[in-house]
Amino acid sequence: DQQVKQNSPSLSVQEGRISILNCDYTNSMFDYFLWYKKYPAEGPTFLISISSIKDKNEDGRFTVFLNKSAKHLSLHIVPSQPGDSAVYFCAANTRGTGNQFYFGTGTSLTVIP
Amino acid sequence: NAGVMQNPRHLVRRRGQEARLRCSPMKGHSHVYWYRQLPEEGLKFMVYLQKENIIDESGMPKERFSAEFPKEGPSILRIQQVVRGDSAAYFCASSDSNQPQHFGDGTRLSIL
Repeated sequence: DQQVKQNSPSLSVQEGRISILNCDYTNSMFDYFLWYKKYPAEGPTFLISISSIKDKNEDGRFTVFLNKSAKHLSLHIVPSQPGDSAVYFCAANTRGTGNQFYFGTGTSLTVIP
Repeated sequence: NAGVMQNPRHLVRRRGQEARLRCSPMKGHSHVYWYRQLPEEGLKFMVYLQKENIIDESGMPKERFSAEFPKEGPSILRIQQVVRGDSAAYFCASSDSNQPQHFGDGTRLSIL
């Protein structure tokens, strides 16, 4: 039962343009969402998070948007850089009911110089 | 990924042997999680532990797999009588309560 879905397995973007990575979830009880970035042969690295009380959180070139009614979140990277090429995972959990996080299957982003 | 230490980085076992994967959480973290990533797939939750307690093992296969996080020492993920389908990358993560998880660089298990 995949409660967090990333329907695009891959994405290619030109350097300097915007990258938009999408994530959908099914569990309306999720109230905390995160994005992780993963390079080959390394573990995922925490990138940015958002609580359900917000609809936007920004950190430098990275912005996460949350649409609770649509159960959808997205990660915007602008401007995209070649070093952003990696696999991006979204994750979600319900705070207060335990610390299990549910991960999507990942989107492989390639930023073309 | 500094802080969460997993070893070994690569482990090769023959079918029927046992595999032991170790994870030392970041200093001060009392929550440990194990995930498995099969080829071409995402991260699958296996088990969530706190010191000496298994909190959620809903993602663990019912047989051959076990995990522990003793009072002293690293967390151990143990796979008995390994089969080819156990070949995967196994990631450990740790966190403080309700904070983002920090991941280790994983153990790549190969079954011959």
